Formats: sequence, C-alpha cells, structure tokens
Amino acid sequence: GAGVSQSPRYKVAKRGQDVALRCDPISGHVSLFWYQQALGQGPEFLTYFQNEAQLDKSGLPSDRFFAERPEGSVSTLKIQRTQQEDSAVYLCASSPRGASYEQYFGPGTRLTVT
Amino acid sequence: GDSVTQMEGPVTLSEEAFLTINCTYTATGYPSLFWYVQYPGEGLQLLLKATKADDKGSNKGFEATYRKETTSFHLEKGSVQVSDSAVYFCALHHTGNQFYFGTGTSLTVIP
Repeated sequence: GAGVSQSPRYKVAKRGQDVALRCDPISGHVSLFWYQQALGQGPEFLTYFQNEAQLDKSGLPSDRFFAERPEGSVSTLKIQRTQQEDSAVYLCASSPRGASYEQYFGPGTRLTVT
Repeated sequence: GDSVTQMEGPVTLSEEAFLTINCTYTATGYPSLFWYVQYPGEGLQLLLKATKADDKGSNKGFEATYRKETTSFHLEKGSVQVSDSAVYFCALHHTGNQFYFGTGTSLTVIP
C-alpha cells in the first residue's frame, strides 16, 4: 500500500514568508509525528498527534511553528515568518498505534529560507 | 534527559567487510532501541529494534543486541554489500511520545 507522503518535496521561501508543509500518513494510522532534521543531524522531535488531538508539542522551537490534524488523517505544519535557522528537512512519520510503536517515515520536505 | 550517542562517520568499507556502528544511550529505566536506515533519496526505514535488555534485533543480515550493562546497541553486519550504502540512525523511545535519534552514520561500501 501507499506509504507516508509529504508535499512539497522542496520549498524555497524568502525570510519572513509563511510556509505550509503537508503530510499524508498511511491510511488508518493513529499516531503522527513531525520532526526537524538539520543538515548532518538526526531528526529532532517537534510534535505528536494521536488522531486529531495534539498530545505533545514540546519540541516546537517557537510560537511561529504550528501544526494541525483536524480530521485525524492529513496533517499540516505551518511556519510563520520564516527565518534562516528554519532551513532543514521536515519529516513526518505515522504509526499504527501508540507512540511507542515503530514509525513509518515520509521522504521529507526540504525547506530552504533565503 | 534521554539521549543517543552514535559513532561518527563517514565509514567506508570494502564489499564483504565486517561492519560495526557504535551506539550508546542515556535513559532511566528501560527504553526501546531502534536502528533506522536512510537510503539515498528515500525516507527513514526501520531496520531493527529491541524492546528489552538482552534482546537481539535482526534484519537483512544486520544485528544489534540491547546491552543494559553497557547502555549500548551496536549495529553489526558480517559481510556488507554495496547496496548497504546508506545513513544509519540509532534511536530510542522511552516514556512519553518522543523518539531520540543519534546524528547518523554514513556508510559507503565500495566494490
């Protein structure tokens, strides 16, 4: 079946612009995670949803970052007033059950802020 | 807090060589431990996992044993192939919703 998909795959934004990154998890997966991966680093946790509920947003680096999953499937990560330090690959992962189960990752969206 | 320390790369090996990528962790209690692999141009994929001490995870010829006494989860493969060239990430999950990843180790296998 289809895996996790993310769009766009690449995004270039001018500093100060708002961006929206989309994640389509595997159908029926309850849990959804967003990660930020800087160049040469491992993924760092941003936020976690169980169905439509955002249960953990402790990793969001500032109030410019906002995530939603209104119907418990597709999720959007929005970054307002982008800054150069926001340049990274943003990864989405979904899991069929709770947070402790293995995650299935999408290919990521590479965001470059100029 | 919880964290993972992973052997720095890049690692370059000849085909059929033995591979070890070191991973140690810091966590209270008994986390679950994972190795993920990222092939060029693709997303991270789970390679193997172990959920309790002394468990051995294995897949595609790779193995890792959960050693609580040394807080380690080293990845090994007896004979690497060119197709194993990828970036390997060690990760842990403990309480809560967060996974902690290492910085990744790039492996290149040359024929």
